[in-house]
Amino acid sequence: EVQLVESGGGLVKPGGSLRLSCAASGFTFSSYSMNWVRQAPGKGLEWVSSISSSSSYIYYADSVKGRFTISRDNAKNSLYLQMNSLRAEDTAVYYCARDTSMVEGWDVWGKGTTVTVSS
Amino acid sequence: EIVLTQSPGTLSLSPGERATLSCRASQSVSSSYLAWYQQKPGQAPRLLIYGASSRATGIPDRFSGGGSGTDFTLTISRLEPEDFAVYYCQQYGSSPPTFGGGTKVEIK
Repeated sequence: EVQLVESGGGLVKPGGSLRLSCAASGFTFSSYSMNWVRQAPGKGLEWVSSISSSSSYIYYADSVKGRFTISRDNAKNSLYLQMNSLRAEDTAVYYCARDTSMVEGWDVWGKGTTVTVSS
Repeated sequence: EIVLTQSPGTLSLSPGERATLSCRASQSVSSSYLAWYQQKPGQAPRLLIYGASSRATGIPDRFSGGGSGTDFTLTISRLEPEDFAVYYCQQYGSSPPTFGGGTKVEIK
């Protein structure tokens, strides 16, 4: 079964750090670009960051540039998001999503992990 | 950045009725790289439509997508009880990828 499972969320104080993980299974992880998308409580979806299959291309939303770092380990079938200098507005459910990099779009999503930034 | 505007914000309909959701882009969407997602409370988004009009694997044929350029629609031909949810459009042909604000389809 094709699956993505996020972990690493939790409660952190403003200015703190957190590292999210996304474990992939059931498909050839190294063949796909991957994305992080977040959803603040009661709000819509916001793209956060993307990474190509070999990590050659990395992109960030302006709202997280300079604070978040996306990475992957194809040997471990895992995607990561290192989040530093966290702010209250980073509070959200964070999803990882598989990117076919073709017209087929972002076809597999994890269930998400919740990040709460509060003092 | 391409801004996607969805309308209406909320659609109140009864089971069995037809739902038509709109997604308008601030500039032309590249190669119809336009997707629709369904999201239910507490769940992740689920891909319904990609390439503006192709149904994703396992999606019932009561869901259909159409449009090109800057105007796209998602149609649910006859609403089933499980279709009441929030629907998002997304463009993924230009960087950064962007989502619309969503349309909530609620039971009337």
